[in-house]
Amino acid sequence: DSGVTQTPKHLITATGQRVTLRCSPRSGDLSVYWYQQSLDQGLQFLIQYYNGEERAKGNILERFSAQQFPDLHSELNLSSLELGDSALYFCASSFSGANVLTFGAGSRLTVL
Amino acid sequence: QQPVQSPQAVILREGEDAVINCSSSKALYSVHWYRQKHGEAPVFLMILLKGGEQKGHDKISASFNEKKQQSSLYLTASQLSYSGTYFCGTEHPNDYKLSFGAGTTVTVRA
Repeated sequence: DSGVTQTPKHLITATGQRVTLRCSPRSGDLSVYWYQQSLDQGLQFLIQYYNGEERAKGNILERFSAQQFPDLHSELNLSSLELGDSALYFCASSFSGANVLTFGAGSRLTVL
Repeated sequence: QQPVQSPQAVILREGEDAVINCSSSKALYSVHWYRQKHGEAPVFLMILLKGGEQKGHDKISASFNEKKQQSSLYLTASQLSYSGTYFCGTEHPNDYKLSFGAGTTVTVRA
């Protein structure tokens, strides 16, 4: 157990639907990162939050949004889902930027 | 901007050595190395912050050449447990993103 908790572990949904992925960072960590990993692909950076504020943005689609709440947990919202959104979504946390990232186990999203 | 990793894949016999390279077209602030085993989350190996810095973890070590904007990961006397996909992650000055390369899949065979 890395200390980073992601729910749900698996999610199957249909095209056009909306889902929310949740991440609780490791105790004491202020930064949360979201990454997308498609089948046999690398880790694509989506977005980073630090202490509730958006700090960096990657190639995150407009259909995707995220936020970090006052208790530091984060949610990634994916809407108008397409088949190509099927992937493993990882959340990682760190104390601040330029620090070691601890990854959660991931949420596997399958869009049918 | 994603770093470029090479090679894409490498197959080793136990005890052999390998080098994985990571390069960036932009100035680097830090380089991170992570290993992901199949079906698992990436796990931190080491972070290099200063030009010319070298670090080691067991028989896995890395170097960082700030001027060349490159880092290399050295797998020495490989063990079966070294199998997995290795990712380098790069941070640039004044940019908080940690972008990862496409990964290098290492297979160590007995």
